[in-house]
Amino acid sequence: DIVMTQSPDSLAVSLGERATINCKSGQSILYNSNNKNYLAWYQQKPGQPPNLLIYWASTRESGVPDRFSGSGSGTDFTLTISSLQAEDVAVYYCQQYYSTPYSFGQGTKLEIK
Amino acid sequence: QVQLVESGGGVVQPGRSLRLSCAGSGFTFNNYAVHWVRQAPGKGLEWVAVISYDGSNKYYADSVKGRFTISRDISKNTLYLQMNSLSAEDTAVYYCARGHYDFWRPFDYWGQGTLVTVSS
Repeated sequence: DIVMTQSPDSLAVSLGERATINCKSGQSILYNSNNKNYLAWYQQKPGQPPNLLIYWASTRESGVPDRFSGSGSGTDFTLTISSLQAEDVAVYYCQQYYSTPYSFGQGTKLEIK
Repeated sequence: QVQLVESGGGVVQPGRSLRLSCAGSGFTFNNYAVHWVRQAPGKGLEWVAVISYDGSNKYYADSVKGRFTISRDISKNTLYLQMNSLSAEDTAVYYCARGHYDFWRPFDYWGQGTLVTVSS
């Protein structure tokens, strides 16, 4: 099974500043035949289901603001929010869909400083 | 628009059974794999099970294997999760989530979830 580990567990950032969340997989989730990383990022606000932000490690889902970006390859990935807005307060999860059982990171709680 | 609506949650005693449903609309339900994902109160996300677009393939998390069964009714555009031998550790909000034609895709639409509480 692939273990996903996020850091930090919580993060406080000032409005307008950059927020960075890291995710590490226990093994590579890069599929060599298509050169794609099977990594997604989700945002979950209180009382709501998760919302897909990023897939293939760096492809933004339709409708997601361009201040959200994803990067990384192999086992190390990053979600960056370039300029934090109040509505970005949420818990963020990374997920691998490279193999079953699909697995999520433990989540990173993002707050306003 | 794409909608997934779960139902069937509630309070159930340990050792008993419960069946959840997830009705899909706004898309061709039978062209997509569909997942169950759960979230215990105050905790993170745990993937539970997936079923292929045609129901021929299924995968489960080890924590539910042998106790939970995922199925779908193509004629009703509905996904099910039959949960047997429930324990307190199964208490969670259960979400259904849309995958893709194949299994190796992210989950792009989620329902609002249904709460299952296992308690005597």
